[in-house]
Amino acid sequence: DAGVIQSPRHEVTEMGQEVTLRCKPISGHNSLFWYRQTMMRGLELLIYFNNNVPIDDSGMPEDRFSAKMPNASFSTLKIQPSEPRDSAVYFCASSLEVGYEQYFGPGTRLTVT
Amino acid sequence: TQLLEQSPQFLSIQEGENLTVYCNSSSVFSSLQWYRQEPGEGPVLLVTVVTGGEVKKLKRLTFQFGDARKDSSLHITAAQPGDTGLYLCAGGYGNKLVFGAGTILRVKS
Repeated sequence: DAGVIQSPRHEVTEMGQEVTLRCKPISGHNSLFWYRQTMMRGLELLIYFNNNVPIDDSGMPEDRFSAKMPNASFSTLKIQPSEPRDSAVYFCASSLEVGYEQYFGPGTRLTVT
Repeated sequence: TQLLEQSPQFLSIQEGENLTVYCNSSSVFSSLQWYRQEPGEGPVLLVTVVTGGEVKKLKRLTFQFGDARKDSSLHITAAQPGDTGLYLCAGGYGNKLVFGAGTILRVKS
């Protein structure tokens, strides 16, 4: 079975540009989570969805960050405009339901110069 | 804020040695999960413990959840180079997971 799929795997962009990260959760999973991982702050939850509805976005750092889940098989995390401090690895994870075990994708390594 | 502290932050040992890593909090969690993450990949779930005092074994790995559900430990017997990686604990809090900073384990052959 396919796991969580993320694209791109690597993204290098210049400050001020728009960045869109993509995620396809495991089929049949109803909950989707976006995380950011840095050396300084570890793994932080940004936002999560249940049945395509955003439930908790309290971890989204600024208004520059937005996330959507238009259907059960696709989600995006957008940063506009991007800044060097946004450089991190962004992970998407999905679970059968909230509170259940989460399965992580391979991550997108974002570098903003 | 629910905080999970992991110790040690870094551990370098020889193949065949035993080790224990710890995950501690002042908060009670509904469940606790352990993940292993290798460079360039996402965390992979190893185990979930939900009952205070619960012990689970996964081959050479033994996981224990504290009686008060505030702490956990991971013990590895006869470590192998393939055990190298970042070990993360995560506490279930409501519908979310709170992650510790992790323990970087390096097993030298």
